[in-house]
Amino acid sequence: DAMVIQNPRYQVTQFGKPVTLSCSQTLNHNVMYWYQQKSSQAPKLLFHYYDKDFNNEADTPDNFQSRRPNTSFCFLDIRSPGLGDAAMYLCATSRDPTGAYEQYFGPGTRLTVT
Amino acid sequence: GQNIDQPTEMTATEGAIVQINCTYQTSGFNGLFWYQQHAGEAPTFLSYNVLDGLEEKGRFSSFLSRSKGYSYLLLKELQMKDSASYLCAVKDSNYQLIWGAGTKLIIKP
Repeated sequence: DAMVIQNPRYQVTQFGKPVTLSCSQTLNHNVMYWYQQKSSQAPKLLFHYYDKDFNNEADTPDNFQSRRPNTSFCFLDIRSPGLGDAAMYLCATSRDPTGAYEQYFGPGTRLTVT
Repeated sequence: GQNIDQPTEMTATEGAIVQINCTYQTSGFNGLFWYQQHAGEAPTFLSYNVLDGLEEKGRFSSFLSRSKGYSYLLLKELQMKDSASYLCAVKDSNYQLIWGAGTKLIIKP
């Protein structure tokens, strides 16, 4: 089945220790998104790629970076995690950002910062 | 600014009908989405509205009024598995999805 895969599902890191979250997709979608979601809050868009074009949201902290080496893979790097970065990180894909195309989400990575 | 408003929490009884409202104020409109999110899981797509009116999909229906900046999600014949959060999201003029915080729906037997 075509899908969005995120690894790991659970990640524990120490305060200030860099961490990388990964996402892969078999849907061959052009657009990939990274969201941060905290409990009972709306998903917050961090970045998105339309093909190789990178779009950084204005309020995404510099501590967060992303890479998309090819169509299938996307990575989220948190350079120096703080306690406030503990959250669920969701990767999503879409065929196209316009129109009726919905976003398909991976299962998420729950990040704990100790 | 852009804003999506939904009730924080609703409670309903198994077998009943519930309506979850969403009002929005966005810079432009390119469609409204409803997603379901079970606790600890990722959102899954439920419905899309871009024109005024009702879209029906099995037990779920979604309504849109663009002039009022209003949508609702109607769930019929509620089942225990419908206990989840329901998120309303609007595509703005830049095709960015603006998300609501979600409505937590609690189903009681």
